[in-house]
Amino acid sequence: EPEVTQTPSHQVTQMGQEVILRCVPISNHLYFYWYRQILGQKVEFLVSFYNNEISEKSEIFDDQFSVERPDGSNFTLKIRSTKLEDSAMYFCASSRGSGTATNEKLFFGSGTQLSVL
Amino acid sequence: AQSVTQLGSHVSVSEGALVLLRCNYSSSVPPYLFWYVQYPNQGLQLLLKYTSAATLVKGINGFEAEFKKSETSFHLTKPSAHMSDAAEYFCAVRTGAGSYQLTFGKGTKLSVIP
Repeated sequence: EPEVTQTPSHQVTQMGQEVILRCVPISNHLYFYWYRQILGQKVEFLVSFYNNEISEKSEIFDDQFSVERPDGSNFTLKIRSTKLEDSAMYFCASSRGSGTATNEKLFFGSGTQLSVL
Repeated sequence: AQSVTQLGSHVSVSEGALVLLRCNYSSSVPPYLFWYVQYPNQGLQLLLKYTSAATLVKGINGFEAEFKKSETSFHLTKPSAHMSDAAEYFCAVRTGAGSYQLTFGKGTKLSVIP
């Protein structure tokens, strides 16, 4: 089965530093997403991206966050100035369609554990 | 707003016993509902999804879930637990209008006792 690839698996950064999390979605997919899971809490939606623009975003996705698909294969999440509360597992996901078709799936990567010190 | 509630953060069953993981939803429109499984150090994997085609949905690894509108429930079941089923299970509802924007429950960790 095809896979969404995320690198690195674990990233440590200092508070206030910029961090970029990288993802390679499945090649023929059109929709791209970032979710995060703070330890012990729910998986939370951050943002969806389609046709080279953000289609939906949550309240969490404020001006400190940005996403980009720089080269047609990678999909990145940038946190401009990290805070302690940004420490979480960040999951990238991709899908061929928007989720209504019966035989369609959302594929998740294995995640990047971000630790902000 | 659409949401899901998973009852029980931790469920233990004996190997071979019935698995029942509970999920109730709240939605003002016909919901799209999902169950995902997360094995240690892995991403989320879709078990099954409900998109109004049929109320009883069969998924991978012998799991199934039944959509019951009258009870606003979408419980996950498996007749006979296997050791490999030990994982965390998440119920989710699609809240985005045009994408896979999902709202997840808090998760239920399933332990299987040999």
